[in-house]
This record gives sequence, structure tokens and C-alpha cells, in this order.
Amino acid sequence: KAGVTQTPRYLIKTRGQQVTLSCSPISGHRSVSWYQQTPGQGLQFLFEYFSETQRNKGNFPGRFSGRQFSNSRSEMNVSTLELGDSALYLCASSLNMEYEQYFGPGTRLTVT
Amino acid sequence: AQTVTQSQPEMSVQEAETVTLSCTYDTSESDYYLFWYKQPPSRQMILVIRQEAYKQQNATENRFSVNFQKAAKSFSLKISDSQLGDAAMYFCAYRSVKGAQKLVFGQGTRLTINP
Repeated sequence: KAGVTQTPRYLIKTRGQQVTLSCSPISGHRSVSWYQQTPGQGLQFLFEYFSETQRNKGNFPGRFSGRQFSNSRSEMNVSTLELGDSALYLCASSLNMEYEQYFGPGTRLTVT
Repeated sequence: AQTVTQSQPEMSVQEAETVTLSCTYDTSESDYYLFWYKQPPSRQMILVIRQEAYKQQNATENRFSVNFQKAAKSFSLKISDSQLGDAAMYFCAYRSVKGAQKLVFGQGTRLTINP
């Protein structure tokens, strides 16, 4: 069974631009979560989706948004990029709310 | 809010020896899950082991085992017979059982294996 896939793997953007990251969960998994990983702040929870509904949201500004589609694929969007948004963005999927999460390889976003 | 603390930023061990990574957490909940994740240089986060708080028995997965002390809010990971492939960042994580998938991570411990 294929693992969690994330596209693109690497991305370079300029301040003020917006970006969309994509996550395809493991087949059959309906829950998708997103995390931001930086050297300074570590791993921080962004949001969580289950069956197309956002179930939980972390403490990030409104510039960070996401959605989940009927096939469980998820996207996250960051608008008006800032230098501090440079990070590894990790997506994780799970069968449902009670099961452990499996992570994708991440998208490395660099904002210049 | 729950917090997770890993007090050892770096650890090293000789190949084939045993090493223990420490983790403490703070929560007011009585039921929750605890995890250890491994992140090798490839950056892919891999689940190592999982512990349910209601279970008194410590979880084990091959060479990996935990020492779960609920009263002390301590959750350490023991790696036996360390192998070069065990070199990675190790993250301790907490998750509530209250219908949310949100993981709260510690800052991580970088483990080096010396041949």
C-alpha cells in the first residue's frame, strides 16, 4: 500500500506570494493533519480534517488555511507569505480519529 | 494545555549498546496516548511505538520498549542493541483521546550511533 504523498517536495517562494501544498493520504484513510516544523518552534499542529470537515485548528494566523476533498486528499494554503513561514510542512493521515498517524515526507518551503 | 518535554537535546551510544531517551509531559487528562516518532535525515517521520495511558503494561516493539510511569508523567524510550540505522531525531508526542488527532510534540532528541 502506498504511503502518504506530498507535493511538491521543495518550493521556493517570494515574500507576499501565496502557496498551495498538497497531501494524498494512504488509501482508505479519512483523517488528515498538517504540521509545521521549524528549527526554532519545533513541530506545531496546523489543522486536522476528517471527512471534509475541519475538526481542529492550531494557533496560526488566518493566512494559513486548508481543505479536504471527498477523496480525502487535502490541501493547505498560505497567503501573503512571510520569511518566518519557511519550514518543513508535514502531512499525516490516519484511518479514523482513534488510530495513529502516518506521516508523509514533507514539503520544504523556502520564502525569500 | 498539554506540554511535552524532552530534556536531552542530544544523545550518543555505541553500536550494539542500549540507550534510554527521556520524555516528560504535563496534562490534566486521565486518558490519552503517547508516542515515540523517529525522524531520520531523510525527514520522513516514522512511528516507533505507541502507549495507551489506560494500559499499565509497557509497550514493546522488537528492540524498542517504553517505561511508562503515569503518576510521574514520564515516558522514556529504551533502544536495545543499537544499530547504525537508529540514528535519527526522536520525538515524544502526546495525543488526547477526546476525538482529536492533534499531536503535541517535544523538542526532540538527536541520537547518534557510534560504530
